Parts: sequence; C-alpha cells; structure tokens
Amino acid sequence: QVQLQESGPGLVKPSGTLSLTCAVSGDSINSDNWWGWVRQPPGKGLEWIGEIYQSGTTNYNPSLKSRVTMSVDKSNNQFSLRLTSMTAADTAIYYCVRVIFTALYYFDYWGQGTLVTVSS
Amino acid sequence: SSELTQDPAVSVALGQTVRITCQGDSLRNYYASWYQQKPGQAPVLIIYGKSNRPSGIPDRFSGSSSGNTASLTITGAQAEDEADYYCKSRDSSGDHLGVVFGGGTKLTVL
Repeated sequence: QVQLQESGPGLVKPSGTLSLTCAVSGDSINSDNWWGWVRQPPGKGLEWIGEIYQSGTTNYNPSLKSRVTMSVDKSNNQFSLRLTSMTAADTAIYYCVRVIFTALYYFDYWGQGTLVTVSS
Repeated sequence: SSELTQDPAVSVALGQTVRITCQGDSLRNYYASWYQQKPGQAPVLIIYGKSNRPSGIPDRFSGSSSGNTASLTITGAQAEDEADYYCKSRDSSGDHLGVVFGGGTKLTVL
C-alpha cells in the first residue's frame, strides 16, 4: 500500500519561504511515476502546484512558477516543495500526491495534507 | 489557462441517481478524473479515464464524457456519498502542459 506523508512547518512568516517534504512508502521515487503537490485554501477548492519526475524534470502551475521549486531525494525516497515570497493567499492545506502520468493521467494516492498558515 | 466548470451544489434523494457535470475545453482532448473529498479528509480518486474505478470504489460510481463535458454519475446514492466532488484534467492551453481542477460540487444526500 502506497503511503505519502507531508512534513514541514505549520506557520510561515509573510515574505518567507515554505519548505515541505513528502515521504513515500510502498513505492520508489525511482519508479515510473511522477510526484506532485496540490493545495487547498481553507473552505476553497483544489489548486495544482506542480509535479516532478525522478530525473528532476518538472511541470509547474504557470501562476506559481516563478516562486516554486520541486526536488527529489532518492536516498530518502522523498520529494520536496519550496515556495518563496509567501503571502496570506498561500495559506492552505498542502497535499502531496502520486501522479500516474499516462494518457489517463490521474492522482491515485494522496497524503493526509498539512495546513500551512502564513502569518506574522 | 483553461477552466473546468462545475455546479457548486447538487442534491439527491437517498437511493436515487445523480449526475455531476464538469465542462471545459480541455475535456475535448484529455480525460477527466474525479475525486471525492469528505470534510477534514484528503481527496480520494474515484474515477479515471473513461470510467475506471480504483479498487475499493463502489460500482455505483461511473463516469462518462461527451465533447467538452465530463460527468460523474452515482446510481443509488448513499448517505456516505455526501461530499465534495472535484473533476480534474490536463490543460494544454498555455505554453506548457498543466493541470486544471474544477471548482467542486457539494453533493447533499436528502
């Protein structure tokens, strides 16, 4: 059974940088799947942040691209999200997902999510 | 970027059939996938491709697609189906291939 677990600070200061990690179990970061991040502001809908492949190839949401960096850590079987210049609008639950990157393209496993609040 | 449009709220009587729709240009080229989210929980994949269900998803959930509209049908809705439902597809309207979610539909089972 694949499991994803997000970790990182729950509070980030305005203009600060968010760093989150997603630990993967039950699958290998080196598998043929992609790995991604989705966020959800409190009481609102889902927003795709981006995705990364084991090689380091990435696709980012154009609206966040200038502030987002994703990376993979093969030795620890995890991947990470870095989001700079945080504002209150970035307050959200952040989910990591496994991406089945085929013609059907879907997110089959989700982490439980971690709430990140931007506040001084 | 492209958009996916969903009705904000839909209701269904217990045991009846309900269809939740998702409209957008990207659906002419890409399959939708559907996610169920209950309060305080992470979304769960319920439909992908034409009408594929992951293991453990009841067969009362089905999907279909025509033109720019994808639909999720629940045949014989149960009380536990009350949740938010999101569609998602790829989005090739920009310079790079991205992803777009619908705004979500809140399903109430009466």
